[in-house]
Amino acid sequence: GAVVSQHPSRVICKSGTSVKIECRSLDFQATTMFWYRQFPKQSLMLMATSNEGSKATYEQGVEKDKFLINHASLTLSTLTVTSAHPEDSSFYICSASRPTGGHEQYFGPGTRLTVT
Amino acid sequence: DQQVKQNSPSLSVQEGRISILNCDYTNSMFDYFLWYKKYPAEGPTFLISISSIKDKNEDGRFTVFLNKSAKHLSLHIVPSQPGDSAVYFCAASRNTDKLIFGTGTRLQVFP
Repeated sequence: GAVVSQHPSRVICKSGTSVKIECRSLDFQATTMFWYRQFPKQSLMLMATSNEGSKATYEQGVEKDKFLINHASLTLSTLTVTSAHPEDSSFYICSASRPTGGHEQYFGPGTRLTVT
Repeated sequence: DQQVKQNSPSLSVQEGRISILNCDYTNSMFDYFLWYKKYPAEGPTFLISISSIKDKNEDGRFTVFLNKSAKHLSLHIVPSQPGDSAVYFCAASRNTDKLIFGTGTRLQVFP
């Protein structure tokens, strides 16, 4: 397996503020990272694909200006939720895939965001 | 458009028996399928996968079967253990592209 960490694990913020979530691959270099969100009792929905050194590819319906993704290094990708609103409250999970290819993605533990 | 479906939201199985989790897909271009296990408030953990060129892959207590003509795959867990209680997601991909997840099946293994 592979180890992917996320920080913070839980965050509460006020409406209108921005929140940054970090995703790190600890034991391998990840050229591609993915960001998902999961609502209660629902599936994981892919938000965007993040490639190191290039702009993220967002899924249809995901606002790129609201969910800013930066993949500055091979081991770190960040997701910033800008001007957060209560409807942004969700469980955000990142994953990383090995540069050697393969379909497996290794997931972080997730971040619970609550916007009050 | 749900390309990957898990029609059973929950499954309850007695310890020691077989658990069978099912997954259907609609896109015949998918060439790789994966199963993940997820506990509440945690990220999914990779369990087992299968390429579309195979019809079976086994790893310990876990076996995945793929029926391409029916666009159906299943995960068999035998014998089931209480620690297997979790939500199981199947996922599919095409050409190492993004993963498309099913809606999940909550498995409960009782003593």
